[in-house]
Amino acid sequence: QQQVKQSPQSLIVQKGGISIINCAYENTAFDYFPWYQQFPGKGPALLIAIRPDVSEKKEGRFTISFNKSAKQFSLHIMDSQPGDSATYFCAARNRGNSGYALNFGKGTSLLVTP
Amino acid sequence: DTEVTQTPKHLVMGMTNKKSLKCEQHMGHRAMYWYKQKAKKPPELMFVYSYEKLSINESVPSRFSPECPNSSLLNLHLHALQPEDSALYLCASSPTGGQAGELFFGEGSRLTVL
Repeated sequence: QQQVKQSPQSLIVQKGGISIINCAYENTAFDYFPWYQQFPGKGPALLIAIRPDVSEKKEGRFTISFNKSAKQFSLHIMDSQPGDSATYFCAARNRGNSGYALNFGKGTSLLVTP
Repeated sequence: DTEVTQTPKHLVMGMTNKKSLKCEQHMGHRAMYWYKQKAKKPPELMFVYSYEKLSINESVPSRFSPECPNSSLLNLHLHALQPEDSALYLCASSPTGGQAGELFFGEGSRLTVL
């Protein structure tokens, strides 16, 4: 059972546009929510992360919005660039599981067209 | 460049072969992980070593055998694999166990089982 539900599965955005990827969860034991970016042939790389006591975190063009009551969080990529074309995974860490295991969403394949 | 180094990058093996995947990190991290990733899927946790001791084995078949010779090295020994084991095998590390969100992934070893 997928504990973190991610949408959309794929996304096409024009250069300069805003890319938005959404994730939802049910388990209230989740205490840390990272986003990973993966380019073809590479391993995932941590992009940005948020804890549930914060509603928004911004790093450059990347912003996480977090809604604790709705159990939803999203990644916004402002001024999207062709170099942002990659697969994005949201994830959640379960503090009740020794903190080792991450629950990943299924991923979103983003294509930014010139 | 990633600070988690995996070798080999590509491996082709028959079902009767014995081979090993190797992973090295020099960031002083004390937790190391093996993940398996199929095409267009999120990474799946296989094993976790924390302070060189096996902490998590996610019910992985015994044809996969992990080894952590020291705090910087992690091996995955492969024997009698099946074609469905073909995948990208990712090594990751984190500063300590319990901080799994702050994972640093290697670029992976692409395994093909014939």
